[in-house]
Order: sequence, then structure tokens, then C-alpha cells
Amino acid sequence: SQTIHQWPATLVQPVGSPLSLECTVEGTSNPNLYWYRQAAGRGLQLLFYSVGIGQISSEVPQNLSASRPQDRQFILSSKKLLLSDSGFYLCAWSPNRERNIQYFGAGTRLSVL
Amino acid sequence: QKEVEQNSGPLSVPEGAIASLNCTYSDRGSQSFFWYRQYSGKSPELIMFIYSNGDKEDGRFTAQLNKASQYVSLLIRDSQPSDSATYLCAAGQGNLIFGKGTKLSVKP
Repeated sequence: SQTIHQWPATLVQPVGSPLSLECTVEGTSNPNLYWYRQAAGRGLQLLFYSVGIGQISSEVPQNLSASRPQDRQFILSSKKLLLSDSGFYLCAWSPNRERNIQYFGAGTRLSVL
Repeated sequence: QKEVEQNSGPLSVPEGAIASLNCTYSDRGSQSFFWYRQYSGKSPELIMFIYSNGDKEDGRFTAQLNKASQYVSLLIRDSQPSDSATYLCAAGQGNLIFGKGTKLSVKP
């Protein structure tokens, strides 16, 4: 069966510090991968998605970036965090884009202080 | 702007009753529709998906889709306190658009 791992679970970072969140999927190959952010009182906002190694699409312009160095690894990064980057970051995978059934990881709660 | 609208609630129902959650979407090109359950502080968990007009049943859950009205609903029969959570509706083709969720409270 497929599983998705996301870490860390909780992160407290000062403003201006860098960020690296990692997500890996097991039990499948060539998954579609997604990064979302869920801010308090707001819906899930799609940040990035990837259909293959090195292929990243950005949905929202911001100071975040994403990379997919391996088939089942998806990384969310920032060089300098802003207060507004605080939120609940969720990685998801789907077997294909056509039906796009997405399964979420446990999430990382990021607080930027 | 593609949107998915949900009543934020809270929706309160007594244990054993039917909970009815509703959602409308703006993108007529949407082909896939989902309901996720999210407990406080946790990540969303897929509970139902539907692609065609009509009803789809899975245990106590029934999803209903009406593409002409751009309307999706979720019925939860025999509601239990453990069903208390926020329910997210999502719709799309390719990327999904999520609603902000409806908070459901099932009272014992």
C-alpha cells in the first residue's frame, strides 16, 4: 500500500530564516505531488505541483520554492521566511491527474516568529 | 476566479440523525469531486469521491452530484460523535479547488 511521509510535524522559525520541508511517498511510482498551505480560517491553497522529476508548477507567486530531486521526493523551501508564511503545510500525492484523487500527509505546522 | 463555496457552520446534529453538507462550485469544467474530513489539528482524510451525476453510497456516507446546478452534497446517516470534524469539499479538473469547510458537531 502507498504511504506518504512528511516532516517535521511542527516547526518554529524566526523571520528571515531558511526553510526546508520534505515529503516522500512509498509504494508507488511517478506520483503527482502537491504542496498546499492552510492558514487559519482559510481554505487549502495550492502552492506547487509536480508531475515528474524536475517538473514544478507554481500556482501562487511568493518567496517559496519547490523541488523534486527524486521520483517520490518533494521539497518545499524558502531562503527567508516571512511572518505571513506561518500556516499548516500539507503534502499530497495522486496516482494521476485525470481523476486526481489526492491523499495527504500528516502536515507540518509552521510558526514564523 | 474558480471557487468552491461551503457554509462554514457549525452544523449541529444529534447523534443518530442525518447530517447534510452542501457545496457549490463555479468551474463548469470540473470533472472530479471530493469530500475530505479534517479533525482539528490533523490533515484532511479522503472519505468520498464522485465523478458522475447522481448518488454514490459508501457505508453511512452518500455523495450527491448535480453538474447542471454545480452542486455537490454529502449525507452522513446515523451520525456519531466521532463524525464531528470539518468537512472539506473539493472540485476540479487537474488541480483541485477546496472550499473552506463546514464544521460538523454531533451531539451525544
